Amino acid sequence: EVQLVESGGGLVQPGGSLRISCAASGFTFTNYVMSWVRQAPGKGLEWVSAMSSGSSTYYADSVKGRFTISRDNSKNTLYLQMNSLRAEDTAVYYCAKASGSSWPYYFDNWGQGTLVTVSS
Amino acid sequence: IVLTQSPGTLSLSPGERATLSCRASQSVSSNYLAWYQQKPGQAPRLLIYGASSRATGIPDRFSGSGSGTDFTLTISRLEPEDFAVYYCQQYGSSPRTFGQGTKVEIK
Repeated sequence: EVQLVESGGGLVQPGGSLRISCAASGFTFTNYVMSWVRQAPGKGLEWVSAMSSGSSTYYADSVKGRFTISRDNSKNTLYLQMNSLRAEDTAVYYCAKASGSSWPYYFDNWGQGTLVTVSS
Repeated sequence: IVLTQSPGTLSLSPGERATLSCRASQSVSSNYLAWYQQKPGQAPRLLIYGASSRATGIPDRFSGSGSGTDFTLTISRLEPEDFAVYYCQQYGSSPRTFGQGTKVEIK
């Protein structure tokens, strides 16, 4: 059974930094693209970032230059380093497993999410 | 690609048929269109991919159709557990984009 467990969310001040993690199990982690999707309170879904097992990275324009996605294939863990955080980054951040190792892919499994709140 | 879902809210009774629309601002490459269901406090769940293929474990009352710029998710007979928010997503072009969602509520 695929399991994705996010952690590391919390309250951070504007301009601050936070790193969230996603521990994966139940599948061969290195065979799949992994991604982050966020959802602001009461709003819809927004794709944030993705990373292939071969270390290619992709970002939404809204976070480019501020967020960095990475993965540790030896620990089956995905990370998102978030710097220069803004109030509009407040959201539940979901870790999502892609359907394959490269484009095109949809998201076939999701974690339960971790809440990041940016506020003073 | 901007995806526009309609209606915003659909008020129906259990047993009724639900028809949800997703319109794209430009053609979706190779019908790379997925549908997700999200219940309050839960993560999204994949229902449909490739515009019309059901994901593993999804009941056959859920069906997807369409091509190009117009796509439809149909729930043939609503069960109590189907009342939720539904999102379409295109994955043929970068960045992957989602529609704003359609809420299916109990009438």
